[in-house]
Amino acid sequence: GAVVSQHPSRVICKSGTSVKIECRSLDFQATTMFWYRQFPKKSLMLMATSNEGSKATYEQGVEKDKFLINHASLTLSTLTVTSAHPEDSSFYICSARSRASATYEQYFGPGTRLTVT
Amino acid sequence: GNSVTQMEGPVTLSEEAFLTINCTYTATGYPSLFWYVQYPGEGLQLLLKATKADDKGSNKGFEATYRKETTSFHLEKGSVQVSDSAVYFCALILNSGNTPLVFGKGTRLSVIA
Repeated sequence: GAVVSQHPSRVICKSGTSVKIECRSLDFQATTMFWYRQFPKKSLMLMATSNEGSKATYEQGVEKDKFLINHASLTLSTLTVTSAHPEDSSFYICSARSRASATYEQYFGPGTRLTVT
Repeated sequence: GNSVTQMEGPVTLSEEAFLTINCTYTATGYPSLFWYVQYPGEGLQLLLKATKADDKGSNKGFEATYRKETTSFHLEKGSVQVSDSAVYFCALILNSGNTPLVFGKGTRLSVIA
């Protein structure tokens, strides 16, 4: 149980275009979803926290107009990278927290590698 | 604030060697502690966890004990395999409030045959 999927797993796009990444909790309801960014050989950097039906809370230094997060249902959150630039190339990982979890455990998706050319 | 400090890598070991990856934490409240593993090109997988003092988490031969007196959660394995090569992240979460995991910087382990 507690499976989180991400789509796509890899995406290559041209500079200036927008890319949408989907994160789904497959067998549980996620009250909260988190989006992380990971640079090569680095730790995870939390970008934002989203609760179903409300606006996302962005971490300091993350541009909310560039990284649009929507959490429309208890099983789906999307991250849209708008007007992508090569410096946005990175590994993006989502994580979901189960509504039923007493320990606030987070379950992670497999990640999406974005390459902007 | 809340933070996790883990030993700098990379760590390189021979197969069947003993592994220890140190992790200490600071927390304003009472945390649950986790070890996550990331294999090359993949997302994070939960390896083990402990939710209260003196709990021992274990999985796949890995163990870690929640030591409140030393604020530590060191990861150990008695005999590593090449397939254990990965990046290991120590993390905490406070047992109150809907806050995100706080991660350490990760320790890269390479096991050679």
